[in-house]
Amino acid sequence: DIQLTQSPSFLSASVGDSVTITCRASQGISNYLAWYQQKLGKAPNLLIYDATTLQTGVPSRFSGSGSGTEFTLTISSLQPEDFATYYCQQLNNYPVTFGQGTKLEIK
Amino acid sequence: QVQLVESGGGVVQPGKSLRLSCAASGFTFETYSMHWARQAPGKGLEWMAVISYDGTNKHYADSVKGRFTISRDNSNNTVYLQMTSLTTEDTAVYYCARGGLVVVTARGNWFDPWGQGTLVTVSS
Repeated sequence: DIQLTQSPSFLSASVGDSVTITCRASQGISNYLAWYQQKLGKAPNLLIYDATTLQTGVPSRFSGSGSGTEFTLTISSLQPEDFATYYCQQLNNYPVTFGQGTKLEIK
Repeated sequence: QVQLVESGGGVVQPGKSLRLSCAASGFTFETYSMHWARQAPGKGLEWMAVISYDGTNKHYADSVKGRFTISRDNSNNTVYLQMTSLTTEDTAVYYCARGGLVVVTARGNWFDPWGQGTLVTVSS
């Protein structure tokens, strides 16, 4: 199975900051990576798919990059509603796997 | 709009069975793969199973293979997860999610949207 490791696991930042979350895959997955945002008590929400494609309706301050084994999610100019937990997910093959999550908290 | 509504969760004893349902609306159900995923209390996301748009292809996580069965009824726009031999480790919120359009591989099968989830508690 493909393992995904996110770093950091916890991140503290202020409104207006720019932050980057990294997701590393245990083997190459081309660009078959998605990013999700999950707020407390809610279902996850798709932000980015195919590593770099922004889902319709997602603000442009979210961006994704990478291919192969290393990927990043960048949020520029953090807004209060961005404080949540973020997960990467690989869709190169089954079983689909998720990273362990990165919790973004307000400093 | 696209909507997924899970039902069937509750409290069940170890060793027992439970069937979850996910009713879909707002899209052409029979053209999309459907997934189940779960989240144990305070933990991360874990994918469980996927069924292709026509029901002919299914894949499972190793942790549930042989115990859980995914199925779908395209005439009723519903996907199911039959869970047997439940243990306390299966306690979680279970989510259904729409996958890709007419795909049978994992590629292109991202999860969007997700339902609100249904809580399954396995306890004696």
